[in-house]
Amino acid sequence: AQTVTQSQPEMSVQEAETVTLSCTYDTSENNYYLFWYKQPPSRQMILVIRQEAYKQQNATENRFSVNFQKAAKSFSLKISDSQLGDTAMYFCARRNTNAGKSTFGDGTTLTVKP
Amino acid sequence: DTGVSQDPRHKITKRGQNVTFRCDPISEHNRLYWYRQTLGQGPEFLTYFQNEAQLEKSRLLSDRFSAERPKGSFSTLEIQRTEQGDSAMYLCASSQTTFRDYGYTFGSGTRLTVV
Repeated sequence: AQTVTQSQPEMSVQEAETVTLSCTYDTSENNYYLFWYKQPPSRQMILVIRQEAYKQQNATENRFSVNFQKAAKSFSLKISDSQLGDTAMYFCARRNTNAGKSTFGDGTTLTVKP
Repeated sequence: DTGVSQDPRHKITKRGQNVTFRCDPISEHNRLYWYRQTLGQGPEFLTYFQNEAQLEKSRLLSDRFSAERPKGSFSTLEIQRTEQGDSAMYLCASSQTTFRDYGYTFGSGTRLTVV
């Protein structure tokens, strides 16, 4: 099975500091997409950032950036200047280009402390 | 467009009853997905549609589950003869996936409790 692994079930960070969430995945494909989604408590899941595997440049969206290491099959999320509103569960996901579905990891619960 | 809508938000049913959930995707999106999420877990794929065609169904999915997307618009997910193990959050998502994938837009989910 092609899996997505998030090895940190829970993390915490002080407000305004930087935190990195880890994700590794398994795939035999060369072309695929990677995503980080955020699910705040009792609220719907939203897309945070996406990366296309054929692009070497790491994606950035404001305070969110990724470190994509294709050979290592690693896709970590860095959150800079953490805010209380970043408290949520974060899911890493992968979709092969020739597939329909995305495969999700089991998530990392991030708590931003004031 | 107000995003992806799911109805109902909560459903409590007795074991053995049938339930049906509805999802209205973003109108421009050609793909619609159903996932199931249990507490502390990531979403688990159930099935997806491209327009009105159901292109993939999880092998883990029992025959008690069926989904439709008539005319490529809204979708329904029906669970027959519900079991306590069916208790979960059922998530619907849509995406526009032609040449590139910009990720899913999720609905708020339907929380099913089987008693």
